[in-house]
Parts: sequence; structure tokens; C-alpha cells
Amino acid sequence: GEDVEQSLFLSVREGDSSVINCTYTDSSSTYLYWYKQEPGAGLQLLTYIFSNMDMKQDQRLTVLLNKKDKHLSLRIADTQTGDSAIYFCAERIGGATNKLIFGTGTLLAVQP
Amino acid sequence: DVKVTQSSRYLVKRTGEKVFLECVQDMDHENMFWYRQDPGLGLRLIYFSYDVKMKEKGDIPEGYSVSREKKERFSLILESASTNQTSMYLCASSPSGTGIYEQYFGPGTRLTVT
Repeated sequence: GEDVEQSLFLSVREGDSSVINCTYTDSSSTYLYWYKQEPGAGLQLLTYIFSNMDMKQDQRLTVLLNKKDKHLSLRIADTQTGDSAIYFCAERIGGATNKLIFGTGTLLAVQP
Repeated sequence: DVKVTQSSRYLVKRTGEKVFLECVQDMDHENMFWYRQDPGLGLRLIYFSYDVKMKEKGDIPEGYSVSREKKERFSLILESASTNQTSMYLCASSPSGTGIYEQYFGPGTRLTVT
């Protein structure tokens, strides 16, 4: 069955890099996503990667995809207190309905 | 900007009450979704709809029903609320197709059933 797993909590110091990891099970996923949820808010798309890519960089964000191990990671460089949030990875399954399977979410706490 | 609104941010209901959660999107999206979010469990899909009057069960549909009479509105119904339905409920919408099409989320409704 489909399952997406993440560690629940990560604490880093301001200015350090953060790495949030995710494992998924559906090898037919076409897109994989990272969403961010700030306190009291809904989720917002942070970045995504197509399944035929290994890496994607977007300013402070680097996404790495290892299809063989079904492992996805999100690296945030120079982490700021404003990056404190819950981060969800998600895999897209099924065609036009854009159905996603979300991970358990990782709470990132940035210490000043 | 895409906007997804939910009728209430906070709701307190009694066990056995019928509860309606409303979601409205303003971008003419075909697909709409209802999730519940619980600590340590992430987001779990309750129901989704890919067109007016069309619906499909998600992973945890038991105790819930949905209604989509108009394209912009998707309602989640708890026929007889129970304490184990205390949770954060998130609505989302997206266009259909096979491109990147992200899901756009509302701010959530925190429901407490006492």
C-alpha cells in the first residue's frame, strides 16, 4: 500500500542547515512535493521535483530524490527562525485527479 | 491568487450532533479534497470530488459524508459527531490534469466534539 514516512521533529540553530527526510513506497509517483504549514495556517506548496530528476535547487532549498531507495530530502540552507513550521512531503498518485499521499509531517524548530 | 475559504476556524459541537463544514474555492478548480490532520498521523484523505456531484472515498471515510452541488463548494458532513472526530479539518482544491498542479489549502477548521 501507499505510505509516506517522516521523522516527527527536528531542531536546528539559526544559520545552520536543516535536512528533512522522507521515504515513500509508490515507485510510480510522477511528482513529489514539499509543503510547509506555518502555525495556525493551511499548507502551502514549497517546492516539488519530477520523478525523473535527482536534484532541484531553488534559492535556499535543495531537494534530493533517490528513486532506487524511494528517499526524498529537503535541505534548507542558512535556516532562519521564520522557517519554523511543519514540513510535509507528498507523493502524487493517480492521474488527473491529482490525488496526493502526505507524510506524517516534520516539525522544524529553529533556535535563535 | 487562489483562495480557499472554510466556514469556521474553530467549532465546538456535542456528541451526536450533525456537523457541516463548508469549503469554497474561487479558481474554478475541478478537484476538491477534505483531509483531517492529527499529530503524528499527518494528513489523511477523507473524501475527494473531481466534478460536481461526483465523489470518491479517501482513506478514512467512515463517519463522514460529502456534498458537491456546485463546482466552487464542497461540504463535509459528520452525520453524528463523536469525540474521536475531534481534529483539524483541511479543505483543498486543484485543477485536474497531469501537470504539476498543486493543491491549494484553506486555513483549516479546528473541530472539538465534547
